[in-house]
Parts: sequence; structure tokens; C-alpha cells
Amino acid sequence: KNEVEQSPQNLTAQEGEFITINCSYSVGISALHWLQQHPGGGIVSLFMLSSGKKKHGRLIATINIQEKHSSLHITASHPRDSAVYICAVSRGSQGNLIFGKGTKLSVKP
Amino acid sequence: DAGITQSPRHKVTETGTPVTLRCHQTENHRYMYWYRQDPGHGLRLIHYSYGVKDTDKGEVSDGYSVSRSKTEDFLLTLESATSSQTSVYFCAIRSTGDEQFFGPGTRLTVL
Repeated sequence: KNEVEQSPQNLTAQEGEFITINCSYSVGISALHWLQQHPGGGIVSLFMLSSGKKKHGRLIATINIQEKHSSLHITASHPRDSAVYICAVSRGSQGNLIFGKGTKLSVKP
Repeated sequence: DAGITQSPRHKVTETGTPVTLRCHQTENHRYMYWYRQDPGHGLRLIHYSYGVKDTDKGEVSDGYSVSRSKTEDFLLTLESATSSQTSVYFCAIRSTGDEQFFGPGTRLTVL
């Protein structure tokens, strides 16, 4: 069983829809990271959080430490949000990341 | 922009040849990482470094070695490349705030 599981694997939405991507993990963590990767592109860090909620523009990330679960929400989705969203957890002092396999989001105009 | 570059960006090589990938950072961060990204596996840690000459293995280190002789450069070497090492390789640094920032990636094809 993977230590970091994401759902769904693939997601298609219409422009303007509210989107939720889920991440569950089975190990103790020091922080959880949400990353974005556009097709053929590099990897961008969106959020790093260890408790509560963070918001950046139309993106919101939440984490529930007791339930070992995090969600990434996108409000008023846009075709430029089409990308792979990757959840990762860091453990220990070295900060090594364990990654989920990603959620491929496609937003149709 | 965390000032991370990787070279080369693309490389095609033949089985059995040695290959070295370079990661360069401009901000003197202590921690640097090498990951590979493969369909169906996602990103996996190969090796990491926590200072000059201080390195350790990650999840998929077999067939790879690393060196860090100065803070700004972290080299990944495939001593004898195999087709299973065809992948996209990402370097990352860990900021003082513990976020990781990634380089643009190197696409390696081993024929």
C-alpha cells in the first residue's frame, strides 16, 4: 500500500466549477506539500502546511492531522488550472518527500 | 525563482555509457535532492545531500552515485546507464522555510 494516496487519479471539470482533490497518508509527517506540474513543465510548490488551512488566490489547502487527510480546492476553475496536482509528505529532519502519484486535472472551457 | 538550473536538459545515450547530470543553485541552500519521475510511479527520491560531501541514499539509489564538492553543485552519475534509467530527473533544494523548489528537469533516454 502506498504511503500517500490521492483521489481522484483523473478529473475533468467545466470552467467555473469548484474542484476538490484529496490526499490521504498513512505515516507520521512533519508537513504536507501540494505541487503543480503543467504538461511538459516543471514542478511548482503551491502550499506547504502542517495544520489548518492556507489560501492563495483561488487555491485553498486544508489538512486534518488526526484523520491524516488533506484537500486541495480550486474555486472558479479555469482552463489554465489544467495540470497534474501532486501531494507529498515530508518526514524527519532531512525533509525527504514521499509523493502521491498525482491527480490529472483537465478544465474544459 | 529559487535559482536552480539543471544540465543538460535533454540527453540521449546508449546502454553502458556513463552519464552525469548537474544541478546548480545560486542561493546556498544546505539540502539538495535528486528525484526521478516515471509514469505509474510518480516522483521518487534517488539521493540527497545535507551539506558539502554529506550525502545519503533515497528510495531508488541502486545504479546511481552523487557528489557534492561545493554548496552550489550536486551531481548525479549513472556509472553504466541502463534502459530502466530512462526517466525525467528533477533536482530540488529545500529552503529555509522547509519548502522544496524544483529545477526544470532533465529528460534522459537510454537506448
